[in-house]
Amino acid sequence: AQSVTQPDIHITVSEGASLELRCNYSYGATPYLFWYVQSPGQGLQLLLKYFSGDTLVQGIKGFEAEFKRSQSSFNLRKPSVHWSDAAEYFCAVGIHGGATNKLIFGTGTLLAVQP
Amino acid sequence: DTEVTQTPKHLVMGMTNKKSLKCEQHMGHRAMYWYKQKAKKPPELMFVYSYEKLSINESVPSRFSPECPNSSLLNLHLHALQPEDSALYLCASSQVRRETQYFGPGTRLLVL
Repeated sequence: AQSVTQPDIHITVSEGASLELRCNYSYGATPYLFWYVQSPGQGLQLLLKYFSGDTLVQGIKGFEAEFKRSQSSFNLRKPSVHWSDAAEYFCAVGIHGGATNKLIFGTGTLLAVQP
Repeated sequence: DTEVTQTPKHLVMGMTNKKSLKCEQHMGHRAMYWYKQKAKKPPELMFVYSYEKLSINESVPSRFSPECPNSSLLNLHLHALQPEDSALYLCASSQVRRETQYFGPGTRLLVL
């Protein structure tokens, strides 16, 4: 069965420090992978996506993610965190088949940024 | 423009009320989605419309009734809801087949 695991429920980093959020997936075929960010009470904003090609993907707001097929991982990174990055981060895998695709979300990682 | 709009932003309703949530996009997407999100949980898929036809219903109770009147609009009609239906309801859209889903800001629903 397809699934996404985000092992870290809550992470706190200092402003200016580097960040890595972990994501592992289980999917039989080549996955479509996404990272979304959600501020409190808001919708989900797409940070970046991987469909194929270069395994290092650049996104918005200075985020990047690396697809590692051998580890079934798609970890999100940022070299220097800003206070405005505090939010919930969701990793998702796209299940494609027929005319529609579904997103399977991980449980999310809540990022807190301390001054 | 990757904007999906949702109205209203907030909604309070009693268990005997009938209300509707509205979602609109003008990106030419032909797939539209309803998700339910409880606090501190990921979004859960409820319905998928593809080319204005219902293609996925994730065993959602009949007190939720989706409607897709045209390629830009998606409604969710609510009737006789329960307090446990209180949640953030998110709409999303995408191109059909293997494309990114773009989310609206959501409607925060409280059922009393």
